[in-house]
Amino acid sequence: SAVISQKPSRDICQRGTSLTIQCQVDSQVTMMFWYRQQPGQSLTLIATANQGSEATYESGFVIDKFPISRPNLTFSTLTVSNMSPEDSSIYLCSGIGTDYGYTFGSGTRLTVV
Amino acid sequence: TQLLEQSPQFLSIQEGENLTVYCNSSSVFSSLQWYRQEPGEGPVLLVTVVTGGEVKKLKRLTFQFGDARKDSSLHITAAQPGDTGLYLCAGDSGTASKLTFGTGTRLQVTL
Repeated sequence: SAVISQKPSRDICQRGTSLTIQCQVDSQVTMMFWYRQQPGQSLTLIATANQGSEATYESGFVIDKFPISRPNLTFSTLTVSNMSPEDSSIYLCSGIGTDYGYTFGSGTRLTVV
Repeated sequence: TQLLEQSPQFLSIQEGENLTVYCNSSSVFSSLQWYRQEPGEGPVLLVTVVTGGEVKKLKRLTFQFGDARKDSSLHITAAQPGDTGLYLCAGDSGTASKLTFGTGTRLQVTL
């Protein structure tokens, strides 16, 4: 299976600022996804990161708040913009390849104060 | 909107006991996956079931996919403290490979 390196692992941010989370995969993935998770709870899909084009967002998530980039097959970023305490959560990236199933990064625990 | 309800939400048992976690939906999935997640880590894939009625065994873990491909169960035999974690089922509807995750079951196994 692939290995996804996600960083930062955690951060504490001031409200009104933005944080960019990066995910690097050690092999090519066909699709990449970004999720949000409250500790101990389920995962909610934010968007599908499309290579070289705009991400596809799920209901309730918008590009202005969560801009996503995926410049190549192995790298993607998620930015949480103009943060408020409600954005405090764990953010996870995931990838799926032709030779392996879904693999997840270790997550970014974000606290907005 | 597809929903996957897991039960129980939380389970605390002693080492050596058996347990079953259920994952139910009103929607049909092309496949269903089970993950285990530990604090500070991402979910790790345990198994994927594809065929209705399929049963897969992974050491002490037995996974079953319902005949109608709407539900699944995970049975753990002789639980160990290392089994502690958050168990998540996830359904793939076949649309753009997007997963719908279940509500989660937190398992705690004590000595």
